Amino acid sequence: AQSVTQPDIHITVSEGASLELRCNYSYGATPYLFWYVQSPGQGLQLLLKYFSGDTLVQGIKGFEAEFKRSQSSFNLRKPSVHWSDAAEYFCAVGASGTYKYIFGTGTRLKVLA
Amino acid sequence: DAGVTQSPTHLIKTRGQQVTLRCSPKSGHDTVSWYQQALGQGPQFIFQYYEEEERQRGNFPDRFSGHQFPNYSSELNVNALLLGDSALYLCASSYRLADTTDTQYFGPGTRLTVL
Repeated sequence: AQSVTQPDIHITVSEGASLELRCNYSYGATPYLFWYVQSPGQGLQLLLKYFSGDTLVQGIKGFEAEFKRSQSSFNLRKPSVHWSDAAEYFCAVGASGTYKYIFGTGTRLKVLA
Repeated sequence: DAGVTQSPTHLIKTRGQQVTLRCSPKSGHDTVSWYQQALGQGPQFIFQYYEEEERQRGNFPDRFSGHQFPNYSSELNVNALLLGDSALYLCASSYRLADTTDTQYFGPGTRLTVL
């Protein structure tokens, strides 16, 4: 069955510290992978996406993610977190031949001043 | 460049009623997808419309129906509302012809509360 797992429901980091949010997927086809961010009461904003090629992708707001096929993972990283990064982060997977995205349950990030 | 817009922002209904939610896609986009996001959960795919036809449907009952208009805007209709239909309903648009990977851009959502 197709699924996306985000093992960490909540993560708290201090401002300026590095961040890594985990995402593991189970998908039969070659996946398209996405990270979205959702601020309270808002819709989803696309941070970055991976389809093929270089397994390290850069996104907006200083985020990057690395695709590791052997580990079925697509972890999101940021070297130095800002207070404005506090939000909920969703990993999603899609694929050629299907039109739907499958989302993880999200990771809520709290940033300490 | 206008992004995806949705209306209304919030809606309160009672059980058994019917509701219609509306979505205008991002300029230049021709495909609309609808998702339901329950509290504390990730979005779940309801269906996608392209060329005014439903192309794929998620695991939702027939009470959920949709429509796409010639200008690519879309409506989501939910009949016989249940308490469990309370959620944030997200619309996403994409441009399938130009982007075979179908990157979806989301609107702000409509918060539906069923009492």
